[in-house]
Amino acid sequence: NAGVMQNPRHLVRRRGQEARLRCSPMKGHSHVYWYRQLPEEGLKFMVYLQKENIIDESGMPKERFSAEFPKEGPSILRIQQVVRGDSAAYFCASSPARTVNQPQHFGDGTRLSIL
Amino acid sequence: GNSVTQMEGPVTLSEEAFLTINCTYTATGYPSLFWYVQYPGEGLQLLLKATKADDKGSNKGFEATYRKETTSFHLEKGSVQVSDSAVYFCALSPTAGGTSYGKLTFGQGTILTVHP
Repeated sequence: NAGVMQNPRHLVRRRGQEARLRCSPMKGHSHVYWYRQLPEEGLKFMVYLQKENIIDESGMPKERFSAEFPKEGPSILRIQQVVRGDSAAYFCASSPARTVNQPQHFGDGTRLSIL
Repeated sequence: GNSVTQMEGPVTLSEEAFLTINCTYTATGYPSLFWYVQYPGEGLQLLLKATKADDKGSNKGFEATYRKETTSFHLEKGSVQVSDSAVYFCALSPTAGGTSYGKLTFGQGTILTVHP
């Protein structure tokens, strides 16, 4: 039973380029969360999606960042016109339902480096 | 808003020593509380959880008790091993309704290094 799969594991982009991060949740999970971890800091919530719907995007920067979770395929976190400050580890988590007895399962993350 | 505060690290111990990592929280209502562990280059793994006051979560020799009166969820282990070296995160999730439901708020993490 595969866990949460994120790819790529490492992504290098130059300033101004676009970054696309993918997340395939665990089988049977329809809830996806994205978090960002800056160096030597804890994880900060970005966005919560359920199939085809954004439920909570209160942690997303207002510009350049977007997320989707289509009916078919992985969830995508998209960062347009990347800047140095976007360098971080981005983690995806999934759960089968929005209840406290269903904790979130995390992927291994995508480490984004901006040159 | 919700917040989690962990003791500052890094924490360095010898094998078989006793471990305590302090965690306190601020939240409305009755959040669920979690400890996650992150090994180098990997994602977070759930270590243990507690969903109501006085609950004790335990796993792999680690324990934490949900103390509502002190708003704390301190992590303890009686005898650490070298393999316990990792970063430990305390987190909470609100249990009331609304769009924040399920969203985890993390502490800043505590680096633990255990020497043989």
